[in-house]
Amino acid sequence: DQQVKQNSPSLSVQEGRISILNCDYTNSMFDYFLWYKKYPAEGPTFLISISSIKDKNEDGRFTVFLNKSAKHLSLHIVPSQPGDSAVYFCAASVGTGGGADGLTFGKGTHLIIQP
Amino acid sequence: DAGVIQSPRHEVTEMGQEVTLRCKPISGHNSLFWYRQTMMRGLELLIYFNNNVPIDDSGMPEDRFSAKMPNASFSTLKIQPSEPRDSAVYFCASVGLAGAETQYFGPGTRLLVL
Repeated sequence: DQQVKQNSPSLSVQEGRISILNCDYTNSMFDYFLWYKKYPAEGPTFLISISSIKDKNEDGRFTVFLNKSAKHLSLHIVPSQPGDSAVYFCAASVGTGGGADGLTFGKGTHLIIQP
Repeated sequence: DAGVIQSPRHEVTEMGQEVTLRCKPISGHNSLFWYRQTMMRGLELLIYFNNNVPIDDSGMPEDRFSAKMPNASFSTLKIQPSEPRDSAVYFCASVGLAGAETQYFGPGTRLLVL
């Protein structure tokens, strides 16, 4: 029973275009959401996060949007660069601890940026 | 800053053997997490500690799995006896102050049980 779902196992985007990665969740108690990026043979690294009191958070080329009513969040990367090719994990937590609580992860989306 | 250190990086063992995975969190961090990554289930939280005390072990799959954190700088995840379905990548992560949003992950231990 996946509480965090990433329905696209892979996504291919041309360099310079926008990459949109989607994530859905079922647990209405989640109030903190994070995106992690993972290269092969490395651990996941934190990318960007958003609290449930916001609907948008931006950091450089990365923007996360949260739609609480739809229980949906998305990560936008603009413009996409070759170094963005990686597996992206959506994660969520309950409580104000954010990363200090255990995280529930989706299965990940493999983003491939084509030259 | 050395980051989260995990050892070994790779482990191949035979079914029935005991396996011990090790983790050294970032110095000063007071929460430590063990995750497992498989193709079928993705990244799953197994157990986490706050100030060396286990807080939630509901993700530990079976009694064959056990985790300890004897001090703030060391944790172990033990599987005894190991089974082929335990084959996965096991990650350790740590985070500092409560409320800090970033969990820092180690490079993982790739376990193969034959």
